[in-house]
Amino acid sequence: AQSVTQLDSQVPVFEEAPVELRCNYSSSVSVYLFWYVQYPNQGLQLLLKYLSGSTLVKGINGFEAEFNKSQTSFHLRKPSVHISDTAEYFCAVTPLSGTYKYIFGTGTRLKVLA
Amino acid sequence: DGGITQSPKYLFRKEGQNVTLSCEQNLNHDAMYWYRQDPGQGLRLIYYSQIVNDFQKGDIAEGYSVSREKKESFPLTVTSAQKNPTAFYLCASGGQTQETQYFGPGTRLLVL
Repeated sequence: AQSVTQLDSQVPVFEEAPVELRCNYSSSVSVYLFWYVQYPNQGLQLLLKYLSGSTLVKGINGFEAEFNKSQTSFHLRKPSVHISDTAEYFCAVTPLSGTYKYIFGTGTRLKVLA
Repeated sequence: DGGITQSPKYLFRKEGQNVTLSCEQNLNHDAMYWYRQDPGQGLRLIYYSQIVNDFQKGDIAEGYSVSREKKESFPLTVTSAQKNPTAFYLCASGGQTQETQYFGPGTRLLVL
């Protein structure tokens, strides 16, 4: 079985400051990893994903994430945030084979302050 | 435009009533999913389907039912047995390689 932990439920940060949203996972098998963003009353939009290869993954809107297998982490970072980045961010994993189930973290609400 | 559509955007349910949420995709994806989202609880899987005419229960299937008669469509019925149906419902689809899930805009269900 897999599980995903997002350690921070809320992260306030000032505009133009850097931000890191933390994600740790647990799995006995290899997994794919994802970050999604959700704006109020909307569906989830894919930010980036790690399938294989380079552990540093770049996504949309200037976000990037680094896969660390030894620490079972996939933290999301942005060097300079904008007010428009205010949203909820979800980390998710799915095993490489077998079940089609995806496991989501409980989300981190990023609030960018002016 | 390829994508996933959900309707209606808002739905009101009376006590004892069954209601059906629509989900349609034109991405030619084999797998489709229904999630329930409550504040502070993230996404919880209700049902998923890997292929037409087949579906599996997720973690919180009680009080819900689905059908998958067509590849493009995966409607969710919230039955009267679901005692706490107020939530935001998200439909998603994914390809056979299960690399990525794509989400619809969601339906908010409220109880009158």
